[in-house]
Parts: sequence; structure tokens; C-alpha cells
Amino acid sequence: EDQVTQSPEALRLQEGESSSLNCSYTVSGLRGLFWYRQDPGKGPEFLFTLYSAGEEKEKERLKATLTKKESFLHITAPKPEDSATYLCAVRMRNSGGSNYKLTFGKGTLLTVNP
Amino acid sequence: DTEVTQTPKHLVMGMTNKKSLKCEQHMGHRAMYWYKQKAKKPPELMFVYSYEKLSINESVPSRFSPECPNSSLLNLHLHALQPEDSALYLCASSQDQAGNQPQHFGDGTRLSIL
Repeated sequence: EDQVTQSPEALRLQEGESSSLNCSYTVSGLRGLFWYRQDPGKGPEFLFTLYSAGEEKEKERLKATLTKKESFLHITAPKPEDSATYLCAVRMRNSGGSNYKLTFGKGTLLTVNP
Repeated sequence: DTEVTQTPKHLVMGMTNKKSLKCEQHMGHRAMYWYKQKAKKPPELMFVYSYEKLSINESVPSRFSPECPNSSLLNLHLHALQPEDSALYLCASSQDQAGNQPQHFGDGTRLSIL
């Protein structure tokens, strides 16, 4: 069964304390892995797309990497404004098998304390 | 600021009311989506429109009725909703459904059913 699992569920960091979030997936034929950031009361904000193992993308303090089984979102020297829920989503076929849809993991709630 | 605009931001309605949620994008995207998100849960796909035609209905109850009047607009008509339908309803768009481009989300409509 296709699955997307994120860990940890919640992570508390001190400002400047680097760490990583994990997204593992079991999908028959990856068509893209997406990272989003969601602030309370807002819609998910697109961060990165990864398509193939070995690919890396960077944006400010964030770096996303992809292997054949998982993706990591590395946060370097985080600031309090990086506090948010980070969602991983994988593009896979829907239950009917005729179209592709985005399936989300449950997210990691990141809190960065000053 | 998000490029996908949803109105209203908040909606309170009784179980016998009829209301509509609206979504608009001007990015030239040809795929549009409705998601439902409960508190502390990831978004769940409801409907997908591709080139103004319904392509995916994730077994959503008929009290939710989507409509795509043109390539920029997406509506979700609501009728006889239940208290468990209270949630954040998110609209998203992407360049097309078949490609690997990311989906871009609006900030949602917070719906409360009395």
C-alpha cells in the first residue's frame, strides 16, 4: 500500500540549532515529492519539488534531499520565524488508477525558540 | 501573498442552509483542486478539475457539489451539511494534472456548521 510517513511529529529547537525532518514513502513509481510549509490558519506554501534520487534543492536556511525511500528537510541555524508545520506530499496514482493525486504525510510541527 | 484567492475567509452556516465557496487563480493553470483539512491533520483531496472537467471525485458525499465555470474559477456548493463537515476548505491549482508541477494553495475558507 502506498504510504507517506513523516517524523518526528513535533520538534522543538533552540534558535541556531540545526536539525532535519524526515519523510519516508512507499510508492510504486514516484512522480514527484513536494515539501510545503503551513502556518496556522493559512494554506500550505510550496517550498520544493524533488523528482529523482540524489536531487537536492536549497532555499535560505532550508535544504531538501531525496533518496529512493525518503526525503530529508534540513534546517540550518533556524530562526523563530521558521516555526510552522512542514508537510511532505507525494504524487501517486489515485485509487481508480487513472489519474495522479497528491498524498500528504501528517506533517512535522516545528517550534523554534528564541 | 498567495496567487490563489478564496472567499469567504470564514463561513458559519446551519445544517439547512445553502452556500458556496469560491476560488480564483490567474496563473493560467488548467488543473484546480478542492481539499478538506481538519485541525492538526493533513489536507485530504476531494475533487480535481482538469481543463474545466471533473477528473477525480474522491467519493465525496453529494452534499458537496463542485463547479468549474471557467479556467480561472472553481466553486464548491454546499447543502445540508453536517457538523462533522466543519473544517478548513482549501483550493489549489497547478499547471495541469498530468505534469509534475507543484500545486499552489489558497489560504482556505474556515467553515463552521452549527
